[in-house]
Amino acid sequence: AQKITQTQPGMFVQEKEAVTLDCTYDTSDQSYGLFWYKQPSSGEMIFLIYQGSYDEQNATEGRYSLNFQKARKSANLVISASQLGDSAMYFCAMREVPINRLAFGKGNQVVVIP
Amino acid sequence: EAQVTQNPRYLITVTGKKLTVTCSQNMNHEYMSWYRQDPGLGLRQIYYSMNVEVTDKGDVPEGYKVSRKEKRNFPLILESPSPNQTSLYFCASSPGGRFTDTQYFGPGTRLTVL
Repeated sequence: AQKITQTQPGMFVQEKEAVTLDCTYDTSDQSYGLFWYKQPSSGEMIFLIYQGSYDEQNATEGRYSLNFQKARKSANLVISASQLGDSAMYFCAMREVPINRLAFGKGNQVVVIP
Repeated sequence: EAQVTQNPRYLITVTGKKLTVTCSQNMNHEYMSWYRQDPGLGLRQIYYSMNVEVTDKGDVPEGYKVSRKEKRNFPLILESPSPNQTSLYFCASSPGGRFTDTQYFGPGTRLTVL
């Protein structure tokens, strides 16, 4: 069964606008971490933001924020004030206890247009 | 600078010719892992290591070997590469194996097996 679901098709976003990327997850554990990574066309995987299952506040990191809805098992990434450099694939991932890996979604493609 | 390094970044080889992809981290992380990324399949874990001399299989270990003789290094060995091992490979490390621990990725190694 797929642990992480990212189903949005590729998105075009106007520069300076906000974009929300959807992520739903499946786990029966109480303890887990949710992560978002960015993969630009150059290929590297860049860590963006983390949310723990016990965190009561939504995580924020600069222009990135995570809309965490535990009961709905969703962890959507919000990028505010999009920039051209935000054009990339974005991956949602989950780390559970005691499984020692990140389970990744298939990714969301974002293209920022001027 | 804190980082995970991989070498080589690009490699074209032929079926059956043994190769090693090196991975090194300078953050004194206990946990290290290898992933492969394939179109339509996303990122999948190959092997991971919780500490020196402790390694375990991930989701797709067939055809790969690893070793962890030193904390900073975690090489990936393909004893007899085959074309289905053509992929983008990532090494990652994190402070430990807790669900709160962020995994940081190396730049990736693009491998083509002819």
